[in-house]
Amino acid sequence: DAGVIQSPRHEVTEMGQEVTLRCKPISGHDYLFWYRQTMMRGLELLIYFNNNVPIDDSGMPEDRFSAKMPNASFSTLKIQPSEPRDSAVYFCASSFLRATEQFFGPGTRLTVL
Amino acid sequence: AQKVTQAQTEISVVEKEDVTLDCVYETRDTTYYLFWYKQPPSGELVFLIRRNSFDEQNEISGRYSWNFQKSTSSFNFTITASQVVDSAVYFCALSEGSGSRLTFGEGTQLTVNP
Repeated sequence: DAGVIQSPRHEVTEMGQEVTLRCKPISGHDYLFWYRQTMMRGLELLIYFNNNVPIDDSGMPEDRFSAKMPNASFSTLKIQPSEPRDSAVYFCASSFLRATEQFFGPGTRLTVL
Repeated sequence: AQKVTQAQTEISVVEKEDVTLDCVYETRDTTYYLFWYKQPPSGELVFLIRRNSFDEQNEISGRYSWNFQKSTSSFNFTITASQVVDSAVYFCALSEGSGSRLTFGEGTQLTVNP
């Protein structure tokens, strides 16, 4: 079975541009998570969905960040406008049930110049 | 609020040595789950183990073993006879039973030298 799929794997953009990261969870998983990893802050949860509904978005840093899950097999994380401090690796993960193991995608390395 | 502390930032060992990675957690919940993940140099996060708060039995999987002690709020990870391929960053994580939010520790960079 395919794991969690993320695209693009690398993104380089200029400050002020809109960035859209994409994720396809493992089929049958009801939970989807977006994480950000930086040297300074480590791994931090941004938002998670259950059955396509956002449950906890308290980790979203500011209004420039938004996430959607229009169906069970697709989610996006959008940053508009992007800033250099948004540079990080963004991971998407999915799990079958609440509090079960989360399986991570390969990540998107975002660089904002 | 939940918290995970991995006090060892970096550990360096020689191949075939045993190594233990420490993890201490804080939570107010009586039901919670503990995890270990491995992040090799390639960057992906690989799930290793999940433990619930009601199961204090130690777990062994090949060269890997985990020691869960509620009395000290610790969930330590031991690699026996380490190999170069074990070199990675290892993360301990906690999820409280009331939700799905995973809180990660800072990670321990393990380097196994030949």
